Amino acid sequence: AQSVTQLGSHVSVSEGALVLLRCNYSSSVPPYLFWYVQYPNQGLQLLLKYTSAATLVKGINGFEAEFKKSETSFHLTKPSAHMSDAAEYFCVVNTNAGKSTFGDGTTLTVKP
Amino acid sequence: EAGVAQSPRYKIIEKRQSVAFWCNPISGHATLYWYQQILGQGPKLLIQFQNNGVVDDSQLPKDRFSAERLKGVDSTLKIQPAKLEDSAVYLCASSELGLAGGYNEQFFGPGTRLTVL
Repeated sequence: AQSVTQLGSHVSVSEGALVLLRCNYSSSVPPYLFWYVQYPNQGLQLLLKYTSAATLVKGINGFEAEFKKSETSFHLTKPSAHMSDAAEYFCVVNTNAGKSTFGDGTTLTVKP
Repeated sequence: EAGVAQSPRYKIIEKRQSVAFWCNPISGHATLYWYQQILGQGPKLLIQFQNNGVVDDSQLPKDRFSAERLKGVDSTLKIQPAKLEDSAVYLCASSELGLAGGYNEQFFGPGTRLTVL
């Protein structure tokens, strides 16, 4: 069985500050890992995904995530937060067949 | 390219009534998912179709929920009878069929917000 834990249901940062959203997973096989984002009044969309080609994955809007097998983590970061980054972020682990398990999400608030 | 379409966007019903949701995936996407997202939680997979066959329905409450995907395109999710705890957003998503299914991105519809009174 696979599971995802997102540490911190709410994260608040100032504009220009570092964004760090934490995700730990458990999976019995090498994982397929994703971050999805849901902006206010919009549907879920892919931010980035881990494809095993590189442990540091770059996504849209300046976000990146690093896969650390020893720590079973896939934390999401952005060096400098923008007001438009305010959204809910979900960490997801997939099986080989594409069955997804979502974390409970982290709501990011960006203060001016 | 048109995205995943869902209807209705909002539905309010009383407990013990029936309700149905419709989803039209992106053209050519073989895999279709239905999720339930309760407020404050992440989406939970209810059922996954590949073409018109069920891949996974282990978390579908089969005593009241049913889903079908006729002809491997559109899909309908039904709840009969509804309970208060079914109040949630119901999301439909689709993805391409590939050898490495785990890598495939899912494309989500806007969801249907169900309120059961």
